[in-house]
Amino acid sequence: GQQLNQSPQSMFIQEGEDVSMNCTSSSIFNTWLWYKQDPGEGPVLLIALYKAGELTSNGRLTAQFGITRKDSFLNISASIPSDVGIYFCAGDRVLYGQNFVFGPGTRLSVLP
Amino acid sequence: DAGVIQSPRHEVTEMGQEVTLRCKPISGHDYLFWYRQTMMRGLELLIYFNNNVPIDDSGMPEDRFSAKMPNASFSTLKIQPSEPRDSAVYFCASSPTRTALRAFFGQGTRLTVV
Repeated sequence: GQQLNQSPQSMFIQEGEDVSMNCTSSSIFNTWLWYKQDPGEGPVLLIALYKAGELTSNGRLTAQFGITRKDSFLNISASIPSDVGIYFCAGDRVLYGQNFVFGPGTRLSVLP
Repeated sequence: DAGVIQSPRHEVTEMGQEVTLRCKPISGHDYLFWYRQTMMRGLELLIYFNNNVPIDDSGMPEDRFSAKMPNASFSTLKIQPSEPRDSAVYFCASSPTRTALRAFFGQGTRLTVV
């Protein structure tokens, strides 16, 4: 099946620092979504991107749909303790006969 | 809206028993997805429906798994017979439209098969 790669796998940062993570694939996607999952909960949608080059913000979060349509990044500015969790990217390839798939996630830890 | 509602939140069952997981999608959403999450394999799409019709069930691991959506407000995922390797968190998600896909997830059902 189609694979999404996320990097880094995990990261430890100090409160107040900015965070950057990305999602890549060898194939084109027509939608990129970023989710955050807290322990014991379902993934929560953070940002949705529908056009190549699109840059979208949601509070301290900013995400971009790569020009090549094969990647996306998520930035978090001025991290706070509640940013702790697992961040997943997801991509839609239904138009290419495939499906809606998730990356393996980036686990973020914020140190006070 | 209450969001996607799944039940039960936790299920512990013995190997060989039938398990039924339930999902109520967000009203008005045309798409419904069933996912399974494990440490080893992450989030895997099992099956998805559009307007109550199964579109792609290629992710369903075996014939022991079946899913139905009898109406726009209810779906079930059934495992019969259950096995220990089926232990995972099962998520249901719904999306309002395919042209602007944005799946909203329920809180999941944690299944433990002993």
